[in-house]
Amino acid sequence: ELKVEQNPLFLSMQEGKNYTIYCNYSTTSDRLYWYRQDPGKSLESLFVLLSNGAVKQEGRLMASLDTKARLSTLHITAAVHDLSATYFCAVDWGRGSDMRFGAGTRLTVKP
Amino acid sequence: DAGVTQSPTHLIKTRGQQVTLRCSPISGHKSVSWYQQVLGQGPQFIFQYYEKEERGRGNFPDRFSARQFPNYSSELNVNALLLGDSALYLCASSFDRGNTEAFFGQGTRLTVV
Repeated sequence: ELKVEQNPLFLSMQEGKNYTIYCNYSTTSDRLYWYRQDPGKSLESLFVLLSNGAVKQEGRLMASLDTKARLSTLHITAAVHDLSATYFCAVDWGRGSDMRFGAGTRLTVKP
Repeated sequence: DAGVTQSPTHLIKTRGQQVTLRCSPISGHKSVSWYQQVLGQGPQFIFQYYEKEERGRGNFPDRFSARQFPNYSSELNVNALLLGDSALYLCASSFDRGNTEAFFGQGTRLTVV
């Protein structure tokens, strides 16, 4: 059974600081997604990582994928309050749209 | 272009009742998946439908069923509602069933009392 583990589950940061969220998964997959969710809202797609070594950046967020280590990271640079949200990674294990999600990382950025 | 639309947005039901949730995918998308998100947890896969056939099913009881119509819209039905069925139900649309990006609707918030 595919397991997806995120850490940390809760993250409180000061504005301007850097931090990394980790996503480990237990079986072979070369397709990983990062989503953002604001309270009471749906999931917003942030990144789609399609192959080993893939790196994507958007604003203060950068995501990478190491399929050999079964690890993806979401790096936050110089955090701002607007980044406060829950971030999920999801792994597609090749059965179509059956994505397995991590438990989420609840990020709070404090002034 | 319209994104994935779900209806209703909020719903309150009593234990033992039945509920039907609806989803319209992005135009041109043929695959619809349903997820359940309990408060404080990540979404859990319920079903995938592609070309009107069930292509995948998660670990949910038979009280949960779904179907997809010729226009690729979909319904999720839940019978004999339990308190534990209270959750945000998300519909995801993708172009096909294999390894393509999924786009989520705004969800239906179901509360069972």
